[in-house]
Amino acid sequence: EDQVTQSPEALRLQEGESSSLNCSYTVSGLRGLFWYRQDPGKGPEFLFTLYSAGEEKEKERLKATLTKKESFLHITAPKPEDSATYLCAVQFDRGSTLGRLYFGRGTQLTVWP
Amino acid sequence: EAEVAQSPRYKITEKSQAVAFWCDPISGHATLYWYRQILGQGPELLVQFQDESVVDDSQLPKDRFSAERLKGVDSTLKIQPAELGDSAMYLCASSLEAGVSTDTQYFGPGTRLTVL
Repeated sequence: EDQVTQSPEALRLQEGESSSLNCSYTVSGLRGLFWYRQDPGKGPEFLFTLYSAGEEKEKERLKATLTKKESFLHITAPKPEDSATYLCAVQFDRGSTLGRLYFGRGTQLTVWP
Repeated sequence: EAEVAQSPRYKITEKSQAVAFWCDPISGHATLYWYRQILGQGPELLVQFQDESVVDDSQLPKDRFSAERLKGVDSTLKIQPAELGDSAMYLCASSLEAGVSTDTQYFGPGTRLTVL
């Protein structure tokens, strides 16, 4: 059973069309939730860390929010260069090696002009 | 800007051959991770080191995979013998120290392995 679920699997947006990606997790005892961006054939690039419900972080056109059981990555007025796979990962407090990340399968975002 | 280095970037090998991947973490990072990422999926942890010690290798197929970090700096991941199902991206990541509030993991560019 997947502990981290991302939706949708793929998302196509027109340039300027805002939307949100979702990441939900099933295990209790969240230590931290991480968002990464991954371009084809490259390693994941760190975007944000969220630690507690209600926390928000922003970077350019991206804004990440966290509730008790899920996180959203909001993309405002996206550009073609925002096209990538966005990965969500969580660290748990209990029943897990300290520091270990559990990743979702990612959302593949395509922004067309 | 400090980065995680990995080599080679690409490796093509035949089934039953041995392959090795190298990783040099960001200077000063005590924790090093090896992940495997199959196309279309998220990375999955293979092994985690704290300095030179293995702290988690529960997902490492130990009959064919081995990993070491002898001096607590760079690390090598080996597969012997390689199987068709090992084709994947192998990612190395490092963090200052697992468990501290700033233990963000930074990833290298990965090694794309193709087993024929």
